[in-house]
Amino acid sequence: AQTVTQSQPEMSVQEAETVTLSCTYDTSESDYYLFWYKQPPSRQMILVIRQEAYKQQNATENRFSVNFQKAAKSFSLKISDSQLGDAAMYFCALSGGYQKVTFGIGTKLQVIP
Amino acid sequence: NAGVTQTPKFRVLKTGQSMTLLCAQDMNHEYMYWYRQDPGMGLRLIHYSVGEGTTAKGEVPDGYNVSRLKKQNFLLGLESAAPSQTSVYFCASSFQGTYTDTQYFGPGTRLTVL
Repeated sequence: AQTVTQSQPEMSVQEAETVTLSCTYDTSESDYYLFWYKQPPSRQMILVIRQEAYKQQNATENRFSVNFQKAAKSFSLKISDSQLGDAAMYFCALSGGYQKVTFGIGTKLQVIP
Repeated sequence: NAGVTQTPKFRVLKTGQSMTLLCAQDMNHEYMYWYRQDPGMGLRLIHYSVGEGTTAKGEVPDGYNVSRLKKQNFLLGLESAAPSQTSVYFCASSFQGTYTDTQYFGPGTRLTVL
């Protein structure tokens, strides 16, 4: 079985500052993908960034980047220059094996003006 | 291109009533999924479909039925609603359904069962 753990139920960050959301996972699959999804108050789940386990280079999408530590099974999300629109629930997800995606319980990010 | 849409957005049911949630996607995706989201539990897979005319059970299928009569639509039915089914329901779709595929989500349906 694969598991995803998000140990920070809530985080806050000052506008324009940087924040890091943590995620650890466990899987027996040799190849897999990791995702961060954003869920704003509108409830729409939006893909923020994804990382293939075989790629050593950390994925980056504008102000969002990840720190992927495969040996430690850690996949953290860094948000730089935080904006008010970044306030949302963030879900870490692991996709490994056929049709199997496991989600963490989420981290609620508050952005303080 | 609307992506994934869900109907209705909100619904209140009484215990024992039935209803159907409709999911539609216009991306020609083969795979479609129904999840439920509960506080402190993330998203859990209810049922999924690997193509038109096929369905399969996910992690929490009890009390739900699904149908995929058309490729673009995936219906989730509750035959006799229970308060434990109060949740937010998300539909998602993906092109191939392999682990490399990204799932695209609908806006969700908030269901309350009294």
